[in-house]
Amino acid sequence: QSVLTQPPSASGTPGQRVTISCSGSSSNIGSNTVNWYHQLPGTAPKLLIYSDNQRPSGVPDRFSGSKSGTSASLAISGLQSDDEGDYYCAVWDDGLDGWEFGGGTKLTVL
Amino acid sequence: LQLQESGSGLVKPSQTLSLTCAVSGGSISGGDYSWHWIRQPPGKGLEWIAYVYPSGTTYYPSGKTYYKSSLKSRVTISADRSKNQISLTLSSVTAADTAVYYCARTEGGMVFDYWGQGTLVTVSS
Repeated sequence: QSVLTQPPSASGTPGQRVTISCSGSSSNIGSNTVNWYHQLPGTAPKLLIYSDNQRPSGVPDRFSGSKSGTSASLAISGLQSDDEGDYYCAVWDDGLDGWEFGGGTKLTVL
Repeated sequence: LQLQESGSGLVKPSQTLSLTCAVSGGSISGGDYSWHWIRQPPGKGLEWIAYVYPSGTTYYPSGKTYYKSSLKSRVTISADRSKNQISLTLSSVTAADTAVYYCARTEGGMVFDYWGQGTLVTVSS
């Protein structure tokens, strides 16, 4: 069981805005920055958001990250069919002394 | 930068799994890069395994390794600067170790910015 809790699934229609949450604790999200990854079936995860809310070059501004206390969120606006896949949050955990990933959220575009 | 994993695709229970991550387009040492192994069992989530700072990096001139506590007794990660590659061995494997194994890089230890395509390791007799 992951120390970072994500909803197992999320869905939306094209054009909608969806958010995916990642709930942790003071030893991980509460004290370190959060990264978000998008993974398509059979491929490696791709960096989407780093340092809580920064987008790597090439990632559209439809994707945004935020953090408050021990929870983080990924928001996707203007939902597109290409956005389907699995989304993971990741953060270093000071208590466990290692990197932790959320359990993943499967996003479906209806 | 490209990372390419390779190694034993099928391993018998109780034996040792060995993987290599060949890095091209950049050096594994120098700067502030750490190199990681992360795995993903079929249909499940991601699990971080270990990292290595090769010798010659900015913050760890002599190198540094770090392991997930629950795997520490079975895992070894190493860096070969002459071959520009990272290696992983995992001993006493069981079916629970069946997974796609990825190598990945962090800069400044903050974010996995480059990943390999992954290699599937199956533990079965």
